[in-house]
Amino acid sequence: DTGVSQDPRHKITKRGQNVTFRCDPISEHNRLYWYRQTLGQGPEFLTYFQNEAQLEKSRLLSDRFSAERPKGSFSTLEIQRTEQGDSAMYLCASSWRPPGLAERGNEQFFGPGTRLTVL
Amino acid sequence: RKEVEQDPGPFNVPEGATVAFNCTYSNSASQSFFWYRQDCRKEPKLLMSVYSSGNEDGRFTAQLNRASQYISLLIRDSKLSDSATYLCVVNPFSTSGTYKYIFGTGTRLKVLA
Repeated sequence: DTGVSQDPRHKITKRGQNVTFRCDPISEHNRLYWYRQTLGQGPEFLTYFQNEAQLEKSRLLSDRFSAERPKGSFSTLEIQRTEQGDSAMYLCASSWRPPGLAERGNEQFFGPGTRLTVL
Repeated sequence: RKEVEQDPGPFNVPEGATVAFNCTYSNSASQSFFWYRQDCRKEPKLLMSVYSSGNEDGRFTAQLNRASQYISLLIRDSKLSDSATYLCVVNPFSTSGTYKYIFGTGTRLKVLA
């Protein structure tokens, strides 16, 4: 399967614990995104990497959240001291923009998500 | 005002019907536009990119009106398998070069036999 993969698919944890999620993007994609989705809402942007550089972080990403993409391939998202409000689906997406196509490209492809439940 | 607004529905339509979804966006500098489909408890999947000239893919037609900041999706001859949530997505201009997506809340469609 050459799509975006995420691990684990489900995580149940107790409030106050730390959790870490992993995302493996499509292999030739240099752009990687994390989003969070709660019930009845569209996904909300959390952070963006181009290669290994984290270029933007949303204000949603409090200091309890950290993301890395150490070698420009897979990425991890860690949540420290989880709270019940962190319960959500965490989605990873990747993209690659071909040069010269100004109006096209940047279609993002999503992984199956990690569903986090904080008790 | 939300950056991307959609009617949440649900839209309940009979098989074979034509249904249209609308979406408005607030950032006039937005660059790219997409429709994604999301099945229950699954990830969003790209349905169509939306170009200024409009585009069609089989039973699906997407249109963009930059002057009105409005995007539409038309589904003809609805199938039971079209039942899903349809997410309107806007890619705003960013001086940092981030190509993040801004999603609407999604419009739920249920096609009835």
